[in-house]
This record gives sequence, structure tokens and C-alpha cells, in this order.
Amino acid sequence: SSELTQDPAVSVALGQTVRITCQGDSLRSYYASWYQQKPGQAPVLVIYGKNNRPSGIPDRFSGSSSGNTASLTITGAQAEDEADYYCNSRDSSGNHLGVVFGGGTKLTVL
Amino acid sequence: EVQLVESGGGLVQPGGSLRLSCAASGFTFSSYWMHWVRQAPGKGLVWVSRINSDGSSTSYADSVKGRFTISRDNAKNTLYLQMNSLRAEDTAVYYCARATPGVEYYFDYWGQGTLVTVSS
Repeated sequence: SSELTQDPAVSVALGQTVRITCQGDSLRSYYASWYQQKPGQAPVLVIYGKNNRPSGIPDRFSGSSSGNTASLTITGAQAEDEADYYCNSRDSSGNHLGVVFGGGTKLTVL
Repeated sequence: EVQLVESGGGLVQPGGSLRLSCAASGFTFSSYWMHWVRQAPGKGLVWVSRINSDGSSTSYADSVKGRFTISRDNAKNTLYLQMNSLRAEDTAVYYCARATPGVEYYFDYWGQGTLVTVSS
């Protein structure tokens, strides 16, 4: 199966901007989606497609993509944004319509 | 309100079997592709399996292929995961997730998960 690579940990000062990246060959063909997961909770979709936010997700969350890299940007990070973030995409290898997740990035808001 | 409620987790011995269920409500279940995703303790999310809206097409991660079977009963609004030949490495919280219409790998709703522990 194809792989998606994320930095294990990223930190940001309160109110500053942070970018979380996701790299993989499948991203050359498919957009990523991004999920926020807080301890003991289920993941929540925050960005999907080119740059779409589900209802209820603050507009400080945005997404972008270039080549084999997808990015999640939080502009003006808040304390409540501290969480694990995962990207995913369609598996571009032989697994028919399978899905692959990145390893996750732990975001710390200082 | 969309709700997904998993059940069926528990402690099982290596080599044993378990069937997970995911009860869906608040949307037209039969119109959506569904997935199972798991998360080992302290680890990341791992996709397990998906099924299309009418149950005619399925796909599995290599790690569970031949051991797990995904199915659905649209009359009962329920998704299933039959897990056989369980191994210690299958220990995880198992989430069911709904795929967004049109793009099968965007998961817009998730259940709260059910814990499966494989241990002797």
C-alpha cells in the first residue's frame, strides 16, 4: 500500500500560524483530508478536498496541496487546537479504493 | 443528528473471533459508503476496511485481508466487522466512519469507538 508521511510533532505559540504537512505519492493524484483528534475522543474532519471545511470548523483552518505534499494551516492557533492531526488519502497502489492515513502530528500550542 | 454507535468489542484470546456492529441513525444509511478504522493504544489511525452503499463491493487493508469481513444490513441501518483469527496486533479501538457523498475516503462522521483486546 502507499504511504503518507507526517512530522511526529509540531509546536506553535498561541496566536501564531502553524503548517502541518503530509507527504506521499498518492497526493499527486488525490486530495488529502485532515482530521483532528483530542485525547479520548473520536477524530473530527477539519479539511477535505481542495480546501473545504465542514460546518462548525473555524475558518482559521485551511488546506492546500502542491505536488506530493498536502498542508493543513492553522492561522492564529488557539489553545483548543492542541491535538493530534492526521491526513488521509486514497491508496494509489494496487488496493482497489483502499485508504491510507499518515502517522499523525501532535500539535502543541505554547 | 447523525449518530454512529459501535458495539461488540471486548477481550478475546488469540485465534478467536469477534463481530463488531455499528448502528447508524440520523441519515439514509443505504446511500453511504462506510469504513472501519482502528487505533492501537497510543498509536495512529489505521484504515481497516470499506464497503460501498449496497454492500456489493468491499476492500481491506493487507493486514486484515482474509481474516476480517465487512458487511452491512441496510434494512437494520447497521454495519458489521467480522474478525476471525485474531492476533495481539489487532488490539485497538475500532471506529466506524461514514464517507462523504462522492468521495469515499473523506470521513465526515465517526463513532466513539469500541475497544478490542486480544490477549491470553
